[in-house]
Amino acid sequence: DVKVTQSSRYLVKRTGEKVFLECVQDMDHENMFWYRQDPGLGLRLIYFSYDVKMKEKGDIPEGYSVSREKKERFSLILESASTNQTSMYLCASSLYPRTGEEATEAFFGQGTRLTVV
Amino acid sequence: LAKTTQPISMDSYEGQEVNITCSHNNIATNDYITWYQQFPSQGPRFIIQGYKTKVTNEVASLFIPADRKSSTLSLPRVSLSDTAVYYCLVGDGPIYNQGGKLIFGQGTELSVKP
Repeated sequence: DVKVTQSSRYLVKRTGEKVFLECVQDMDHENMFWYRQDPGLGLRLIYFSYDVKMKEKGDIPEGYSVSREKKERFSLILESASTNQTSMYLCASSLYPRTGEEATEAFFGQGTRLTVV
Repeated sequence: LAKTTQPISMDSYEGQEVNITCSHNNIATNDYITWYQQFPSQGPRFIIQGYKTKVTNEVASLFIPADRKSSTLSLPRVSLSDTAVYYCLVGDGPIYNQGGKLIFGQGTELSVKP
């Protein structure tokens, strides 16, 4: 079974703190994603990475950065946490689609519910 | 990336067949259509994927008309445990050089009643 593991289920941080959310996958997937999910807004893509040290901005990258030093690990960093970053954060991974193959399935972690006070 | 439109919510009763339609008027030639299911406090889970006509697996069927501007997810004989949010995604076949970025829309909140 594919496993995408997020380091914490629940996290409480103070405004201004630097926050690290870690995600590890065990299936040698090239693609990794970070989303946040808020009521009424669905899942919104923050950043994604299609290879080690490669990253692309998603729809809402402001206030976030990412790090992908190893293929299996993708970290989301909140440089200076703010209350409007209180949310559920979801990590996902998928294989890079090969030429002639369909878009691949993404596997999600259980999520980290972050509260910034 | 093609935008998708789905109903915000749907209600059903146990044992009924549920059909959720997704509109994607700007679908590109190499785009696939994928559906995910999400339960509360969990990450989304892949249900089914198709390119054209009909695809069926042990969970659902996916109907795609010839013009591919819409698709319908069909859940046969739903149970209470099918209560979830269902997302339709379109896009990112292998030609997309960034390897399959996934963009989720609002999703359809399905409520199954006894």
